[in-house]
Amino acid sequence: DARVTQTPRHKVTEMGQEVTMRCQPILGHNTVFWYRQTMMQGLELLAYFRNRAPLDDSGMPKDRFSAEMPDATLATLKIQPSEPRDSAVYFCASGLRQGSLNTEAFFGQGTRLTVV
Amino acid sequence: AQKVTQAQTEISVVEKEDVTLDCVYETRDTTYYLFWYKQPPSGELVFLIRRNSFDEQNEISGRYSWNFQKSTSSFNFTITASQVVDSAVYFCALSATQGGSEKLVFGKGTKLTVNP
Repeated sequence: DARVTQTPRHKVTEMGQEVTMRCQPILGHNTVFWYRQTMMQGLELLAYFRNRAPLDDSGMPKDRFSAEMPDATLATLKIQPSEPRDSAVYFCASGLRQGSLNTEAFFGQGTRLTVV
Repeated sequence: AQKVTQAQTEISVVEKEDVTLDCVYETRDTTYYLFWYKQPPSGELVFLIRRNSFDEQNEISGRYSWNFQKSTSSFNFTITASQVVDSAVYFCALSATQGGSEKLVFGKGTKLTVNP
């Protein structure tokens, strides 16, 4: 059963610490998204990649957030330094785009981040 | 710019009632996709359906049905004979394929509670 895997599922950290979240997309998918979910803002796109290249990271605070895809099986989202306002659930999703056709995005179970 | 509006913040029904979740979208693109996702209390986002802008046929899957009307920019979701397991937050989302980012733009969600 193919699924998107995110680690860790939960993370509690102190303000100022570095946080790294990892995502293993579904094998064969060429598009990876990072979303953040908060009560106030709902689901917001932070960044997305196509064939490992970043296509849109306009939703990401550039001074502290960074997203990378070291290889096709791993996407990372890093926050350094973390702040309490970063507390949220971070979702990774993957999908397949072939030509002009977008498939649905399949979401991982999320990483619940709490910064104290 | 893309926008999705789910005007119903919360809905509460009694088991076996039918319930319709509303979704209105805005986009200037002529080609786009519409989606519904379910987020149960466990937190993961579960894909339910994808529709492209050229296919206005209604779809039925078991107790679920979707009504897509381009004339009113709506993509409503009906659950027939609701069950307690249908209790979740339901998100409508939009993705355009021409110009701009291909990100999924989500509505704020409708929390459905089905009481026994």
